[in-house]
Amino acid sequence: GAGVSQSPSNKVTEKGKDVELRCDPISGHTALYWYRQRLGQGLEFLIYFQGNSAPDKSGLPSDRFSAERTGESVSTLTIQRTQQEDSAVYLCASSLWVGEWDNEQFFGPGTRLTVL
Amino acid sequence: TQLLEQSPQFLSIQEGENLTVYCNSSSVFSSLQWYRQEPGEGPVLLVTVVTGGEVKKLKRLTFQFGDARKDSSLHITAAQPGDTGLYLCAGPSGAGSYQLTFGKGTKLSVIP
Repeated sequence: GAGVSQSPSNKVTEKGKDVELRCDPISGHTALYWYRQRLGQGLEFLIYFQGNSAPDKSGLPSDRFSAERTGESVSTLTIQRTQQEDSAVYLCASSLWVGEWDNEQFFGPGTRLTVL
Repeated sequence: TQLLEQSPQFLSIQEGENLTVYCNSSSVFSSLQWYRQEPGEGPVLLVTVVTGGEVKKLKRLTFQFGDARKDSSLHITAAQPGDTGLYLCAGPSGAGSYQLTFGKGTKLSVIP
């Protein structure tokens, strides 16, 4: 694929249900990031994966949030027992590597999550 | 926590006008990035500035990094409707340089 893809593009769920969001990074990109973008807000860092290293989960807002990545491929972000404040656009990004700061992150189109 | 404040929050101008948007912080950043985000899309990197006082030009867009590396500006000359979008600045924060702190953005509308 040419870029980062995410699915679904939109997800409407009821409060208390679990949701799973998927990210397909650019092939060959070892680093993968998840961000949350609330309406009118900037992007909030959630989690970072780099190769086979332990992920940096420091941005996850609560233990209801978790993410997995298989090797250097697909990642899933899971939100359990969703709350209305979880409504946001969830963005995934990937990059070739992290070493120097001119490393460019490529973003997917996001998944818009609405919790009723 | 390093914060980035962007101003103005909203900007609506006529095609052909010039504009400047700002990204300010009380903290020093090793570098700053500017992204543009269109509705329904993810942000796209426009430029990275790394040296205090640096000026970079991208066609009609001019980016400047403050001497003290605490602020940056984006100037657009002769704005076009295709410039419409959300402009975000971001800088590294946290223990690893991979963590980005984003400003809330400036939403620009260029009216034909």
